[in-house]
Amino acid sequence: DSGVTQTPKHLITATGQRVTLRCSPRSGDLSVYWYQQSLDQGLQFLIQYYNGEERAKGNILERFSAQQFPDLHSELNLSSLELGDSALYFCASSVVPGDIQYFGAGTRLSVL
Amino acid sequence: EDQVTQSPEALRLQEGESSSLNCSYTVSGLRGLFWYRQDPGKGPEFLFTLYSAGEEKEKERLKATLTKKESFLHITAPKPEDSATYLCAVQSYSGNTGKLIFGQGTTLQVKP
Repeated sequence: DSGVTQTPKHLITATGQRVTLRCSPRSGDLSVYWYQQSLDQGLQFLIQYYNGEERAKGNILERFSAQQFPDLHSELNLSSLELGDSALYFCASSVVPGDIQYFGAGTRLSVL
Repeated sequence: EDQVTQSPEALRLQEGESSSLNCSYTVSGLRGLFWYRQDPGKGPEFLFTLYSAGEEKEKERLKATLTKKESFLHITAPKPEDSATYLCAVQSYSGNTGKLIFGQGTTLQVKP
């Protein structure tokens, strides 16, 4: 158990809908990262937060947004969902940027 | 652009048959190179971090090494429980974000 908690584990929804993925980092970790894993793209960095502030953005679509709350948990919001958004979404956390990242078990999103 | 290439894509070994996985990288200022293990449907599990050329780290049957252009994960006398996908990732000093750039992974199958 990495100490990073992601909910829900599975999410099935329809095209055009909006979903929210939640991540609770390890105790003491200030930095949260979101990654997307699909069969053809591998693990791709989406966005990073550090102590409540956005720190870096990767190839994140404009339909996707995230935030980190004062208690340090983070949410990834995906809207206007398309079939191609079906993937595993992972959250990782580290004490500070540059430190070892520990990953959660992921949320499997299926868009039908 | 930072890039990571792993080879081979897939590797089948007999129990006890040692081998190596390769990770070639290009990065603007290597902050760290990371190895993770991922089991099907689960999140990546941290194995090693290497920071400078010549560095080596060991854990049970695994040994990771680093040069200026590539890293190797040596597996000595593997067992069936070593079957998994092994992911290599690099972290750059650029932007001080800590984001990881992953390779596509090597899927290892060890047969008894």
